[in-house]
Amino acid sequence: AQSVTQLDSQVPVFEEAPVELRCNYSSSVSVYLFWYVQYPNQGLQLLLKYLSGSTLVKGINGFEAEFNKSQTSFHLRKPSVHISDTAEYFCAVTSSGGSYIPTFGRGTSLIVHP
Amino acid sequence: DVKVTQSSRYLVKRTGEKVFLECVQDMDHENMFWYRQDPGLGLRLIYFSYDVKMKEKGDIPEGYSVSREKKERFSLILESASTNQTSMYLCASSKVAGVKYNEQFFGPGTRLTVL
Repeated sequence: AQSVTQLDSQVPVFEEAPVELRCNYSSSVSVYLFWYVQYPNQGLQLLLKYLSGSTLVKGINGFEAEFNKSQTSFHLRKPSVHISDTAEYFCAVTSSGGSYIPTFGRGTSLIVHP
Repeated sequence: DVKVTQSSRYLVKRTGEKVFLECVQDMDHENMFWYRQDPGLGLRLIYFSYDVKMKEKGDIPEGYSVSREKKERFSLILESASTNQTSMYLCASSKVAGVKYNEQFFGPGTRLTVL
């Protein structure tokens, strides 16, 4: 079975500071990993995804994530955040040995302060 | 661009009412999903469908039913609404059934309040 843990429910940060949102998954087989963002009062949209190949994945709005197989992690990073990055971020996983329906983490609320 | 639309952004209903939430996608996607989102619980899958007239239970189907009569439309039905069904409901779609690397496309959500 596949599962996802987002280690922080809330991450407060000042504008222009770097941020890392943590995501760990559990699966012993090949995985596909996704980060989605949900701005206030909106649905989710894809930020980036890892399918195969380079472990460093670049997404929209300056975000990137690194797939680390040995640590079963897929942490999301941004070197300098803006107020407009305030949103809920969800990590999701599917795996070759499991369902094609993604398993979502519980979300991390990124709060950017001026 | 894929567009997923939901019939209402906000809905207020009374306990015991029958409630219909409609979702339409315009990119010929095979899969459609209904989730509910509650603070601290993330997204929980209610039902999904991989083809017309086909449906599968998700993690929390109790109290809900679904209908997919046309490929582009997926309806969520609350047969007798209760206050514990007050939540944000999100519809999503993805391209091909059984493919694990497809991303999901989400609608804007319907915030349902049951009084």
